[in-house]
Amino acid sequence: EAQVTQNPRYLITVTGKKLTVTCSQNMNHEYMSWYRQDPGLGLRQIYYSMNVEVTDKGDVPEGYKVSRKEKRNFPLILESPSPNQTSLYFCASSLPGSGAFFGQGTRLTVV
Amino acid sequence: SQQGEEDPQALSIQEGENATMNCSYKTSINNLQWYRQNSGRGLVHLILIRSNEREKHSGRLRVTLDTSKKSSSLLITASRAADTASYFCATDEDDKIIFGKGTRLHILP
Repeated sequence: EAQVTQNPRYLITVTGKKLTVTCSQNMNHEYMSWYRQDPGLGLRQIYYSMNVEVTDKGDVPEGYKVSRKEKRNFPLILESPSPNQTSLYFCASSLPGSGAFFGQGTRLTVV
Repeated sequence: SQQGEEDPQALSIQEGENATMNCSYKTSINNLQWYRQNSGRGLVHLILIRSNEREKHSGRLRVTLDTSKKSSSLLITASRAADTASYFCATDEDDKIIFGKGTRLHILP
């Protein structure tokens, strides 16, 4: 089954404690991206990757890191989380110029 | 940058009626996409329309694109309770994908 898998689905952490949200897709898609969704603001792109070892900043990259060492994986790293990074996060993958497949989301709370 | 902006922000209609949502964007695009999201879940891709297309159909969905007005509309015909969701348009800006803030659609029984 074609899917994008994010883990964990829910996470509560404390300010400053490094965390990683994993994302994996099984469709051999080149394009992968991370979004955060906040009430009233819609989805905003954090980082995207056109292919292995190629990553670029989206609209709200501050406080986040990503890596793309393999085609299927695109982890999101928060080196020092802060409460303003409390949000619902989505990973997505697609072929260039095609509709995206989204993961089920990771609800992160930073206290 | 917020590329797509949906209108209205919220819409309530009776089951069986048609629902129309609009999306406006700012810069030139290669394609425009519509997605559905059920309450806090992942987005589901509905339809993609390319910049050289004016209209596209998929089941009960009809999408139009007017590049001169930088706008698109999504029409859902014969609405059902299961259509209750948020709908987002998304456009490409260089290699970035920019989403609007969405239209919340509520189908009344």
